[in-house]
Amino acid sequence: DVKVTQSSRYLVKRTGEKVFLECVQDMDHENMFWYRQDPGLGLRLIYFSYDVKMKEKGDIPEGYSVSREKKERFSLILESASTNQTSMYLCASSLWAHRPNTEAFFGQGTRLTVV
Amino acid sequence: TQLLEQSPQFLSIQEGENLTVYCNSSSVFSSLQWYRQEPGEGPVLLVTVVTGGEVKKLKRLTFQFGDARKDSSLHITAAQPGDTGLYLCAGERTSGSRLTFGEGTQLTVNP
Repeated sequence: DVKVTQSSRYLVKRTGEKVFLECVQDMDHENMFWYRQDPGLGLRLIYFSYDVKMKEKGDIPEGYSVSREKKERFSLILESASTNQTSMYLCASSLWAHRPNTEAFFGQGTRLTVV
Repeated sequence: TQLLEQSPQFLSIQEGENLTVYCNSSSVFSSLQWYRQEPGEGPVLLVTVVTGGEVKKLKRLTFQFGDARKDSSLHITAAQPGDTGLYLCAGERTSGSRLTFGEGTQLTVNP
């Protein structure tokens, strides 16, 4: 089974802190994604990556950055956390870049609270 | 404005009832996926529909892709408490592009 593992289930951080959310997948997938999930808004794409050291902005990249130094690991960075970044963060991976109908496999999510 | 709009947003029914969830857009999608998310977990893929008019069945769940590939529906027959969860539709605008998600339908099936 594909496994996507996020480093923390719950995090509480202070405003202004630099926050790292880590995600690891064990199936050699090319694509990795970071979403945030908020009630009534569904999943919104923050950043994605098709390959090592490659990143592309999603729909809501402001206030975030990412790092993909190894194929299996995709990190989301909140440069200076703010209360409006309190949310559920979901990491996902999928097998093929630029191929149709590819299933996305999700991690269990990290619920981040910024106080 | 959501590219994919789901309705209803919330649905609470009794065990044994039937229900339909809708996913609508003004845009054409090359494929559409349905996911279910249980509390404290990430979404899990249920089905992918690709061809306009396509119908797929997964036990008591029936998925349909509209003829024009702009909308989809999920019908559950004789719902059970185990069907409780957040149902998300996700569309692929062009083949191989990233997914766009709807807002989700929170389904609660009461025993």
